[in-house]
Amino acid sequence: GAGVSQSPSNKVTEKGKDVELRCDPISGHTALYWYRQSLGQGLEFLIYFQGNSAPDKSGLPSDRFSAERTGGSVSTLTIQRTQQEDSAVYLCASSLGQGTVYEQYFGPGTRLTVT
Amino acid sequence: AQSVAQPEDQVNVAEGNPLTVKCTYSVSGNPYLFWYVQYPNRGLQFLLKYITGDNLVKGSYGFEAEFNKSQTSFHLKKPSALVSDSALYFCAVRDGQAGTALIFGKGTTLSVSS
Repeated sequence: GAGVSQSPSNKVTEKGKDVELRCDPISGHTALYWYRQSLGQGLEFLIYFQGNSAPDKSGLPSDRFSAERTGGSVSTLTIQRTQQEDSAVYLCASSLGQGTVYEQYFGPGTRLTVT
Repeated sequence: AQSVAQPEDQVNVAEGNPLTVKCTYSVSGNPYLFWYVQYPNRGLQFLLKYITGDNLVKGSYGFEAEFNKSQTSFHLKKPSALVSDSALYFCAVRDGQAGTALIFGKGTTLSVSS
């Protein structure tokens, strides 16, 4: 079946502009995660959605970052007033549930470059 | 606080030789441990996980990992490396008592030479 998809695959934006990144999780997966992969920094957790529960936003680095998940499926990560340090690969993952036994399936990522 | 350490930025092995990629972790509750692999310009792929039970876990592509509670380690191993195993490997942990997301190590680049 189809895996996690993300769009766009690459995004170049000017400093100060807003960007929206999209994630389509695997059908039937109730949990959705956003991570950021920066050069030399590994993967950094950003935000987590589980069903209709309030999202876990504990990993968002600043209030310029926000995310929503509509209808329990598609998610959009928005970065306002982008800064050069926001340049990274943004990865989305989904899993069948919240439980620790469930592995996460990752999309190919969106490479964001802020000039 | 949860954390994962991958002490080696890069591991070099010759094809056919055994390989080990090291991982140690720190959690307050029971650890749930994962290995992922990332090929160039591709997303992360799940390799294997330890939740409970046997300390030796077998996963995809002939990889295995051994959970060692006393040493808080979860090293990834393969008896005979292939050139196609060359990739970036991430160890990750989830605390059974708290937290929902995976905490990842910084990754280890595995290079297998022919």
